[in-house]
Amino acid sequence: QSVLTQPPSVSGAPGQRVTISCTGSSSNIGAGYDVHWYQQLPGTAPKLLIYGNSNRPSGVPDRFSGSKSGTSASLAITGLQAEDEADYYCQSYDSSLSGSLVFGGGTKLTVL
Amino acid sequence: EVQLVESGGGLVQPGRSLRLSCTASGFTFGDYAMSWFRQAPGKGLEWVGFIRSKAYGGTTEYAASVKGRFTISRDDSKSIAYLQMNSLKTEDTAVYYCTRAPVVAVEAGWFDPWGQGTLVTVSS
Repeated sequence: QSVLTQPPSVSGAPGQRVTISCTGSSSNIGAGYDVHWYQQLPGTAPKLLIYGNSNRPSGVPDRFSGSKSGTSASLAITGLQAEDEADYYCQSYDSSLSGSLVFGGGTKLTVL
Repeated sequence: EVQLVESGGGLVQPGRSLRLSCTASGFTFGDYAMSWFRQAPGKGLEWVGFIRSKAYGGTTEYAASVKGRFTISRDDSKSIAYLQMNSLKTEDTAVYYCTRAPVVAVEAGWFDPWGQGTLVTVSS
């Protein structure tokens, strides 16, 4: 059971827009901790996609965007492309117990 | 090009120890905090631990699941971060990733880039 909750899967046709939600609580996202997103293509290491809720590292297309509100965050992908098919993870910090970096369980994006 | 390369993975029996290395290149290693993550087969990502740069004391933080068993250290002269894993359990089986942390505070932490990972299998 992950501390952050993501849908197990989402799908969309090429060119469409999809969103992936990441729901937390008052001890993590709701406490003001930033949310970051990673993309993991099949058989590869994770890659930073969004940091600090809505910032894109150099080289990440502007088709990817992030937002945060209250105890949740979202990753939006517009103009869906076949190469976007991957697992996506949200990450934040949780201050409960002794504190820990926490992840969502991951969302498998399928491009139809 | 910034690059991280993990090594040292393999098959180990429960209760034994293993040390992973993460060799960095393409940036001033000593200026950055480093972190380790893992991913069990077919599962999601899990944070293992974090080590600050020497400028911030080189102090460490660990996930509850590994605290007291795993130790992270660094050798800035060689640009290498280590993950010493003791008293290994079958549930420690995973691909272990080394990452660079561009921020000082673990609670603000985001991580980039990630190494290719090294597989650790704990089994008798």
